[in-house]
Amino acid sequence: DADVTQTPRNRITKTGKRIMLECSQTKGHDRMYWYRQDPGLGLQLIYYSFDVKDINKGEISDGYSVSRQAQAKFSLSLESAIPNQTALYFCATSDSTGLAASTDTQYFGPGTRLTVL
Amino acid sequence: QKEVEQNSGPLSVPEGAIASLNCTYSDRVSQSFFWYRQYSGKSPELIMSIYSNGDKEDGRFTAQLNKASQYVSLLIRDSQPSDSATYLCAVNNPSTGFQKLVFGTGTRLLVSP
Repeated sequence: DADVTQTPRNRITKTGKRIMLECSQTKGHDRMYWYRQDPGLGLQLIYYSFDVKDINKGEISDGYSVSRQAQAKFSLSLESAIPNQTALYFCATSDSTGLAASTDTQYFGPGTRLTVL
Repeated sequence: QKEVEQNSGPLSVPEGAIASLNCTYSDRVSQSFFWYRQYSGKSPELIMSIYSNGDKEDGRFTAQLNKASQYVSLLIRDSQPSDSATYLCAVNNPSTGFQKLVFGTGTRLLVSP
């Protein structure tokens, strides 16, 4: 079984709709991240969470919100989707409790391809 | 200046050759450096991490780090068509207050049979 799972894997929605992307992990990691990827722009950080009670905005948080329901679950919501939110969305995790040299290694889920019409 | 810069490519090499991928970064206090491989439409997969100046080898892959010159490179020996992918360089940025990774936009590698 995959250590980091994302649902749905593909989603087509219409402008103005509210949607939620979910991420679950069995790695036991405390840190979780949401990124979006657009062609030619690389990975951009949307939100990150160090633990259930700690959530922080990333570079491009406008139009998005998140919820850390448990250590293993981190959801991303688009309150009112717009076409320029069409992208690949990735969840990632890292472990702050491991060896110091490895605490910033991030592991990615399979991604969600979101299309907003 | 971008925080992490990579040539977008494509870098074309014949099967069996050495592929050399380069990455430069702007923040001198960066401490951790990563190479991820990403196939089209798939998620990034960690290939190598390097934290100290010099070379680090893992199978056909060698990461090279030069902090004084602020560059990190990835060498792929005996390149295979299955190595054809986009390679992302990622660098941590402790100056932002936490262990944030900044990603380059990636170099596309094409290995021809």
